[in-house]
Parts: sequence; C-alpha cells; structure tokens
Amino acid sequence: EVQLVESGGGLVQPGGSLRLSCAASGFIFDSYEMNWVRQTPGKGLEWVSYISGSGSTIYYADSVKGRFTISRDNAKNSLSLQMNSLRVEDTAVYYCAREDGGEVGFWFDYWGQGTLVTVSS
Amino acid sequence: SSELTQDPAVSVALGQTVRIPCHGDSLRTYYAGWYQQKPGQAPLLVIYGKDNRPSGIPDRFSGSSSGNTASLTITGAQAEDEADYYCTSRDSSGNHLKVFGGGTKLTVL
Repeated sequence: EVQLVESGGGLVQPGGSLRLSCAASGFIFDSYEMNWVRQTPGKGLEWVSYISGSGSTIYYADSVKGRFTISRDNAKNSLSLQMNSLRVEDTAVYYCAREDGGEVGFWFDYWGQGTLVTVSS
Repeated sequence: SSELTQDPAVSVALGQTVRIPCHGDSLRTYYAGWYQQKPGQAPLLVIYGKDNRPSGIPDRFSGSSSGNTASLTITGAQAEDEADYYCTSRDSSGNHLKVFGGGTKLTVL
C-alpha cells in the first residue's frame, strides 16, 4: 500500500524557517517524481515544487523560488521541503504528492494527509 | 504563466448528470488531471489522462477534452459526490511548471 506521511509543520514567525518531511512507503521511491502542493485555509490548491526521481531536476513556483528548497533522500525514501524567509502568505496545509504520467500529461496519484504551516507573529 | 479557469460553483439534482469544465491554453497540449476534495481530506485523483479512472473510482466519473477545455462529467450524481473538484495541467509556456484550476464546488441537491 502506497503511503505518504508528512511531518514538520507548525507555527513560525515571519522571516523564520521550517523544514517539512514526507516519508514514503509501499512503492519504489526513486522511480517516481515527487511534488509539494499547498492549500491556504479555505482556498484552492497551489503547486509549490517538483523533483525528479534522481533529484537532478527541480522546479519551483514563482511564489517560492529563492526561498524554498526541495530535496529527496532515495536511500531513506524521504522527501523534504526547506522553507526559509517565510511570509504570512505561506500559511497553508502542505501536501506531498506522487506524480505519474508522461509526455501528454501528469497526475498526482497519491497524496499525504498534509501538514499545517502557520506563519504568524 | 498558464492559468486554468473553473466555475466556482455548480449544482446538480440527485441522480442527474453534471459537467464540470476547466479552461486553459495548456489543455490544447496536455490532458488534465481531476481531483475530488472533501472537507478535511486530502485531494483524491478521480480522472487522469484521456479518460482513465484510478482503481476504486466509480464509473459514473468520466473525462473528456476539446480544444482548450477539459471536462469532468458525473453521470448520475450521488450525495457523496458533493465536494470540491480541481483540474491540473502543465504550464504551456514550456517551463515545466504545474498549475491548478481554482476549483469548483459541487452541490448535490
């Protein structure tokens, strides 16, 4: 059974840092691209970042570029998101999501339960 | 960057058919993924690719695409289908980014 379990969320002051983790199990981790997606309370979904199976290719949404860093440890089946210079508008539930697909499209076929990040003074 | 546009809310009578559209330039090139989200839960993939359903998704859910519009259709909507529905696709500008639609809240009357 595929499982994705996020951790690391919490309350942080503006300008602070936080590191999120996602523990993966039930599939061959390094065979899959992974993503972080966030959802502001009561609002819609926003894609945050992507990392290839090997970790060699990485993309970020413009809203987090230069502040967030995605990484993965395939030996530990773990995905991470280092969040620096946090802003109030980064407050959201953060989900890790497994990606599948190909040239004509992609989809997030498994999601974690999410971890809440609150940025407030 | 590319945008995906969805109607904020749609309603359907119990047992009737509802279509939820998603508009965006990237949909001329890429298939959309469709997700159902109920309050307090993580999103759930319901349609992917041309018209594929993950295991466990009822066959009343289907997908289609034409031009810059992808659509999720629920044929014979049930009370448990009341949820938010999101589409997603690649950014069509060639920069490998991903975008979500704003979501459609489906009410089953």
